[in-house]
Amino acid sequence: GENVEQHPSTLSVQEGDSAVIKCTYSDSASNYFPWYKQELGKRPQLIIDIRSNVGEKKDQRIAVTLNKTAKHFSLHITETQPEDSAVYFCAASRSDDMRFGAGTRLTVKP
Amino acid sequence: DVKVTQSSRYLVKRTGEKVFLECVQDMDHENMFWYRQDPGLGLRLIYFSYDVKMKEKGDIPEGYSVSREKKERFSLILESASTNQTSMYLCASASLGSYNSPLHFGNGTRLTVT
Repeated sequence: GENVEQHPSTLSVQEGDSAVIKCTYSDSASNYFPWYKQELGKRPQLIIDIRSNVGEKKDQRIAVTLNKTAKHFSLHITETQPEDSAVYFCAASRSDDMRFGAGTRLTVKP
Repeated sequence: DVKVTQSSRYLVKRTGEKVFLECVQDMDHENMFWYRQDPGLGLRLIYFSYDVKMKEKGDIPEGYSVSREKKERFSLILESASTNQTSMYLCASASLGSYNSPLHFGNGTRLTVT
C-alpha cells in the first residue's frame, strides 16, 4: 500500500521567512495530494491541494509543487506570519486509498 | 459550508467500558470516516463507510466497530475500552469519489481511558 513520509517533523522560522515542508510517497498510482492545517485544539482543514496532472499550484502565500517522477510534493509558505503556526499534514491518495504523513509542527516566531 | 459535528470534545472512560463516539454531518455526503490521531503517527484510518449500513475496515480496526444507520450519522464503538485506545478521534466526511476530494473534519474527541 501507499506510504507517505513527511519532513521535517518540526520547523521553526522567523516571521517573514519562508517555510518548506516535504512529503514523499511510494505508490505511483496516487493522483491527489491535499495539505491540511491543524491549529492547536482545532480540526484539520484543507489549505491547498494538487492533482497529478498539475506540477504547481499557488494560492496567495501558499504553494504546492509536485514531482511525479521523483514521487515527492512540497508545501511552500512565503512571508510567514505567527498565525501560520500549526501542524501541517500532507496526504497522498488514489481512488481507493488515502495516506497521511506524520505531520510537521511549524512555529513562526515573531 | 460543510459542518461535521462530534458529540463530545473530551471523554474519560474506565477500562472495560463500552464507549460510543458520535459524528453527524450536514452536507449529505456519502462517505464518512473515523481516524485516530496520535503524536508522530499522523492520522490513521480506523473504519470508513461509503453508504448507509456499509462499512469497510481501515488500517487499525482492531478493538473498534462502527454503525451507520442513517446517512448523516456515523458512530464509532469501543466494545471494551483499553488504555491503548487513549487518543484523539477525528471524524470526517467527503462526497462521492472520496479519496480524490477534500475531507471535512470534525473538531475531534479526546478520549482518555483510565
